[in-house]
Amino acid sequence: AQKVTQAQTEISVVEKEDVTLDCVYETRDTTYYLFWYKQPPSGELVFLIRRNSFDEQNEISGRYSWNFQKSTSSFNFTITASQVVDSAVYFCALSEYLTGGGNKLTFGTGTQLKVEL
Amino acid sequence: DVKVTQSSRYLVKRTGEKVFLECVQDMDHENMFWYRQDPGLGLRLIYFSYDVKMKEKGDIPEGYSVSREKKERFSLILESASTNQTSMYLCASTPKQGMRQPQHFGDGTRLSIL
Repeated sequence: AQKVTQAQTEISVVEKEDVTLDCVYETRDTTYYLFWYKQPPSGELVFLIRRNSFDEQNEISGRYSWNFQKSTSSFNFTITASQVVDSAVYFCALSEYLTGGGNKLTFGTGTQLKVEL
Repeated sequence: DVKVTQSSRYLVKRTGEKVFLECVQDMDHENMFWYRQDPGLGLRLIYFSYDVKMKEKGDIPEGYSVSREKKERFSLILESASTNQTSMYLCASTPKQGMRQPQHFGDGTRLSIL
């Protein structure tokens, strides 16, 4: 069975600090995708990034960066120079192919990030 | 942009009532999903559907059923609501194009069963 572990339940930082959110996954599949979603206080889950199992190249998008390491089954997310607007719950998710097409996601339990002034 | 619309943001019902949660998407997606979200447990999949009139059980289907009569609409039904079904419910959709497609979520329905 697939499993996603986000060991950090809650993280508090002061604005402008860098912060890393950890994600560790388990799967027997050789082909899979990993996703990060952000859930602000308004409640809607917002897609941030996806990474496939064959692409270990790290990615940077503005203040966000992602470090995928297949050897340790980790897909960590770093926010540089955090801002109050980054305060949200962040979810890591692992895909499983559906025979009918599309994917089924297994989510971690989420990390609540609080950025304070 | 994909729009997934859930009929209610907040809903209060009584124990034993039959409750319907509605979800509509406007992007002709084949796959639709219902999750519930509880503190410390993340999102757990209740049911999903990959085509009209097709449904599959997720990880926690007990106490729920679903209906997909039209492609754009996916309904979650609590047959006889109980207090342990108080939760945030999230609907999502994705096209039938393999594993790489992100799921698109609605705003959620916060359901309270009294």
